[in-house]
Amino acid sequence: EPEVTQTPSHQVTQMGQEVILRCVPISNHLYFYWYRQILGQKVEFLVSFYNNEISEKSEIFDDQFSVERPDGSNFTLKIRSTKLEDSAMYFCASKRGMNTEAFFGQGTRLTVV
Amino acid sequence: GESVGLHLPTLSVQEGDNSIINCAYSNSASDYFIWYKQESGKGPQFIIDIRSNMDKRQGQRVTVLLNKTVKHLSLQIAATQPGDSAVYFCAENVGTGANSKLTFGKGITLSVRP
Repeated sequence: EPEVTQTPSHQVTQMGQEVILRCVPISNHLYFYWYRQILGQKVEFLVSFYNNEISEKSEIFDDQFSVERPDGSNFTLKIRSTKLEDSAMYFCASKRGMNTEAFFGQGTRLTVV
Repeated sequence: GESVGLHLPTLSVQEGDNSIINCAYSNSASDYFIWYKQESGKGPQFIIDIRSNMDKRQGQRVTVLLNKTVKHLSLQIAATQPGDSAVYFCAENVGTGANSKLTFGKGITLSVRP
C-alpha cells in the first residue's frame, strides 16, 4: 500500500542551526502539507503546497520556514534558524484531490537544544 | 471535556463494549470531516470521513455521525478491541480548493481494558 515516508525519524539540532525535513508523498497525489504537533497537543497546520507553490500558510509559518518540491518526488521543509520552541513532531501529508482524505507520514521528531 | 496542556480527555472502555468519541467543531462552513487515529510515535491514520451533505456514514466497525445544527461529530466503534487504544482526533476541512486545510480537534485518548 502506498504511503508517505519521512526522513529522518528523529533530528536533534542546536538552536540557531538550519534543519531540512524530508518527505516523499504518495506518487499520484497533488496536494502536499506540513503539520506539526508539540508533545501532548493537537496537530497544527503549517503550510499547504499545490501546483509548485504555497497555497496557504499559518501564522506559525514565518520567514524562518520554507518548503520546496525540488525534483517532483521529494517535498522538504526547511527551518533556517531553529528555536527551542520549534521542538515538535513534524508531519508531512498528501492527498490526491481536493476533498479526499489526507495521508500522513510517520513524522520527524525535531529536538532543538 | 476540554483538555489543558498535556492532559487529554480519556475514555476508558471494556474490551468488547462499544465506544463513542465526541467532537465539537467550530466552522459552520466546513464541508468535510475526518476522524484520525494516532498511536504513540506515529502519524495520524485515516479512519473514516463524512461530507456535510450526510449525517451518518458506516465503515467496518466504525460509524461517524454528523449533526450540523449543533456542530457535533461523533465516532462510534463497535466491539472495541485492545488495538483500538490510541488518541483519536476529529478534523474539519476548512477553506476551498488548494487553500483548504485540516483543522484538528484536541484529541481524546481511548483506553481499552482487557
